[in-house]
Amino acid sequence: YVLTQAPSVSVAPGQTATISCGGNNIETKSVHWYQQREGQAPVLVVYDDSDRPSGIPERFSGSNSGNTATLTISRVEAGDEADYYCQVWDGIGDHFVFGSGTKVTVL
Amino acid sequence: QVTLTESGPALVKRTQTLTLTCTFSGFSLRTSGMFVSWIRQPPGKALEWLARIDWDDVKYYNTSLQTRLTISKDTSETQVVLTVTNMDPVDTATYYCARATYYSDSGIVGPFDYWGQGALVTVSS
Repeated sequence: YVLTQAPSVSVAPGQTATISCGGNNIETKSVHWYQQREGQAPVLVVYDDSDRPSGIPERFSGSNSGNTATLTISRVEAGDEADYYCQVWDGIGDHFVFGSGTKVTVL
Repeated sequence: QVTLTESGPALVKRTQTLTLTCTFSGFSLRTSGMFVSWIRQPPGKALEWLARIDWDDVKYYNTSLQTRLTISKDTSETQVVLTVTNMDPVDTATYYCARATYYSDSGIVGPFDYWGQGALVTVSS
């Protein structure tokens, strides 16, 4: 199972960043999103398509439909600059798949 | 408070075997559904899942690497060990351990909710 992400997204502060994750019939899977700042470990920001762990701002939201899952960051701040990875569990092979990652640059 | 910490050599030579240890606290690997995975990330590249060990000692491996990987728990069940044989420079990466949960009632696997800080391993030729 392959997850496809655009390599980069640029967004001005205060605007909305939209990060897509494409996969065959991905809507049938639970998609999780991780934020990875430079030199740091990944941090879970959205799980099960659209839920947020405690401590994650409401500005982070997710959706999943058809062949595309989406992470949306509203009112982007400088601190949101990071790489973002989507991830699913492939129950058929019982393994985990990560997307190729999208680098979000705050202009 | 859940914490995971990776430890192991920072440098290995080609063809050597790498042994990494993940020491964790704040949860028990005896809890039904709990598991720990190893995930790696070559410099500038994406995350790659390697292996998983469950509370009941069932193990899963990345099919493309499974002949070289072994994951295990220590007897105290506060550490998870990953060995990678026949190391090559392409295996140079930061190796992370992370926790997740399998929900048996739904058959669904949850996200990696806690990660270690990672251990950078460089393979010299």
